[in-house]
Amino acid sequence: GNSVTQMEGPVTLSEEAFLTINCTYTATGYPSLFWYVQYPGEGLQLLLKATKADDKGSNKGFEATYRKETTSFHLEKGSVQVSDSAVYFCALIEFGGYNKLIFGAGTRLAVHP
Amino acid sequence: DVKVTQSSRYLVKRTGEKVFLECVQDMDHENMFWYRQDPGLGLRLIYFSYDVKMKEKGDIPEGYSVSREKKERFSLILESASTNQTSMYLCASRSGQLAGGSYNEQFFGPGTRLTVL
Repeated sequence: GNSVTQMEGPVTLSEEAFLTINCTYTATGYPSLFWYVQYPGEGLQLLLKATKADDKGSNKGFEATYRKETTSFHLEKGSVQVSDSAVYFCALIEFGGYNKLIFGAGTRLAVHP
Repeated sequence: DVKVTQSSRYLVKRTGEKVFLECVQDMDHENMFWYRQDPGLGLRLIYFSYDVKMKEKGDIPEGYSVSREKKERFSLILESASTNQTSMYLCASRSGQLAGGSYNEQFFGPGTRLTVL
């Protein structure tokens, strides 16, 4: 079945460092891909998305490119801030049937001043 | 602002108790979901509903049931709580039918952290 694999955390960075969180997926067909973010004490919110191969999603300085050839959707940010500390979830949507979201395990990011 | 609210942020119950978790959305969404979130496991779908009085099992429905009597409200029920149901529970909602590969954003509530003693 469809699945999402993320790099294990926690990821600990200093402020202004470069961030990469790896995400790979297994899917039949052509899923849409997402990154969700969960700030402390809150629910998940959509960070960015890409709906087809070579699409780049971007928001709040974060970017991710849908790479069909490597089945990847890695999250990047050029300069992280303390306020980016959160848990990041990669997800895909399984179209057909009830269009369910399938989540990775999540990666905790801690950014220190 | 779109909103999904959950009845409690923290809940402590005893083994064997019947537990109700309530979720309300104010966006007139057709689809509603219950997930549990556990470290290292991500979010796992328990149940979802695509319309009033309709429900479908997710990936881990055992030990849970749901109720959707009104469009805006989706309840998760633990008939007899057990310690392995200690977890964070997240409710979500999403607008109706998808077409042509488009996606309607899924909105999440803040979560209920349930502890079963």
